[in-house]
Order: sequence, then C-alpha cells, then structure tokens
Amino acid sequence: DVQLVESGGGLVQPGGSLRLSCAASGFSFSSYSMNWVRQGPGKGLEWISYIGSTGYTIYYADSVKGRFTLSRDNAKNSLYLQINSLRAEDTAVYYCARDAPPALDYWGQGTLVTVSS
Amino acid sequence: DIAMTQSPATLSMSPGERATLSCRASQSVSTNLAWYQQKPGQAPRLLIFTASTRAPGIPARFSGSGSGTEFTLTISSLQSEDFAVYYCQQYNNWPTYSFGQGTKLEIK
Repeated sequence: DVQLVESGGGLVQPGGSLRLSCAASGFSFSSYSMNWVRQGPGKGLEWISYIGSTGYTIYYADSVKGRFTLSRDNAKNSLYLQINSLRAEDTAVYYCARDAPPALDYWGQGTLVTVSS
Repeated sequence: DIAMTQSPATLSMSPGERATLSCRASQSVSTNLAWYQQKPGQAPRLLIFTASTRAPGIPARFSGSGSGTEFTLTISSLQSEDFAVYYCQQYNNWPTYSFGQGTKLEIK
C-alpha cells in the first residue's frame, strides 16, 4: 500500500526554522513528482510546492517563495521541506501528496507546525 | 492566477437526499479539475479527476460534471459517511495548483 508519513513539525518562534520530512513507501518514489499542501487552523487547503521526480524541477507558491526550500532523496524515498523565517501565518498542518497528474492521489496524515512566541 | 470559488459554503442535508456542490473557476480550466473529500482530523481523499472520472474505490453515488469554468459534484443519495468538507482543485496550470475554499456538507 502507498504510504506517506510526515514528520518534523512542532512549535517554533517567529523567525525560526524547521525541516519537515515525508517518508514514502509502497510505490516507486523516484518515478513520481511530489507536492506539499498546507492547511491553516479551520482553513482550506493551500498548495505550496512541487518537485519533479528527479528533483531538478521545483515550483513554489508566491506565499512561501524565498523562505521554503523543497528537496528529495530518492535513495532514501524521502521528501524534505526546509522552512525558514517562519511567520504566524505559516501555522498549519503540512501534508505531502503524491502527484499523479491530473490530481494528487495519495496524501500523508500531515505534520503540525505552530509558529508562536 | 486562477481562483476557484465554491458554493455554497455550507450545505445542510439529510441522509438519502441528493447533494449538489458547485465550483467556479475565474478562467477556463477545461476539464482539469479534481474534487477531494476531507473529514475532521483526516487528510483529503481524491474523489474525482478530469472533472468526471471517479478515483479508484470511490462509490458510484459520487459523480462530477462540467467543463470550462463551471463544475458540479453530485452525491446521488447521501450516506452518513459522506458528511464532510469537499474541495475542488484546478490543475490547468500544472504543476501549480489552486483549491476552492471548500463546501461543508453537514447533517440537517
């Protein structure tokens, strides 16, 4: 079965940094592009980043561009999101999701990032 | 950027009824549209892609229609497990995506 497991969330002060991870299993990770989508408390879904299967093609939403860095390690079946200069509005559950155009077909359970002093 | 608008924000219905949820795009997305279901404390689940194709394992009571800027998700006979929040998502600008704000389907 396809599994995506996020980790690395937590409480961080404004201006701080975190590194989120997404461990994939049950499919050929190196063959799929991946995404991160976040959801603020009581809010809707916001797509934030995409990475191609080889890691060379990366896109970011304007809201995170310049502060977030997406990478992957296909040898470890893992996806990483480095998030810097955190703001209160970055507080959210962060999901990794497999890209199976034309949609996101598998999602992890998410990891909570809380930005607060 | 393509903006997605869902209506209504909340839909109150009874089990067994037919539910119709709407999604409008700010510009044409052809049939590059998906629908997701999200229950409290859970990740979203893909229901429909290419506007009308059910994802594997999705019951036949879920159907999608539309093209261009107007889309509909229909649940033919509501079951108790269908009460959730539903999101539409466009991928016309793949690999950048945008979601609607969601429609909460609640028990009347």
